[in-house]
Amino acid sequence: EIVLTQSPGTLSLSPGERATLSCRASQSVSNNNLAWYQQKPGQAPRLIVHGASSRATGIPDRFSGSGSGTDFTLTIDRLEPEDFAMYYCQQYGTLLPVTFGGGTKVEIK
Amino acid sequence: QVQLQESGPGLVKPSQTLSLTCTVSGDSISSGGYYWTWIRQLPGKGLEWIGYVYNSGATYYNPSLTSRVIVSLGPSDNQFSLQLSSVTAADTGVYYCARGPYYDFWSDSRLYGMDVWGQGTTVTVSS
Repeated sequence: EIVLTQSPGTLSLSPGERATLSCRASQSVSNNNLAWYQQKPGQAPRLIVHGASSRATGIPDRFSGSGSGTDFTLTIDRLEPEDFAMYYCQQYGTLLPVTFGGGTKVEIK
Repeated sequence: QVQLQESGPGLVKPSQTLSLTCTVSGDSISSGGYYWTWIRQLPGKGLEWIGYVYNSGATYYNPSLTSRVIVSLGPSDNQFSLQLSSVTAADTGVYYCARGPYYDFWSDSRLYGMDVWGQGTTVTVSS
């Protein structure tokens, strides 16, 4: 099983600042099958990035994903009020089970 | 626009079987190349993949749940289901169905992550 470790656990930032979220895998993620999801309280997760760096449909370009192998990053430029939420990384490659990281909470400072 | 909707009892007694159905609209389970997925979120916890089913009926499960779980196509067209047996209070949580990943035959790889989710349904295990 691929264990995903997200850091930091909580990120306290102000609107307009940049958020940098990290996701480290215990072994290489095949084909960079790494996704990022945003979840707000009481809502289902929403796909933000797939394939490590491809934005999902309708996601603003202030969100960007990068990385490969075992180290991945989600960057949110110029945080908007609606970006404050929980973020999860996920690997969905050929090595099952599909796993999620523990999440990073982006909160308003 | 693809939409998914979970349905099923919100309350299940301990030791019984949790049964949920996901109804898909705007896409065809049988003709597409997607896996159809169940995920849960236990109170105050993160996300846990339960398993998924392909349009062929092939299924894949989380080893932590495999002895208790069945994911299947149906009961009707464009529906897929979850059965989790011998439930305990530890199974209480929000259950989501989702579309994805997509299986690309030519590259033998899974793509796109889980791009459409249901709103989730809360299941409580209690007597």
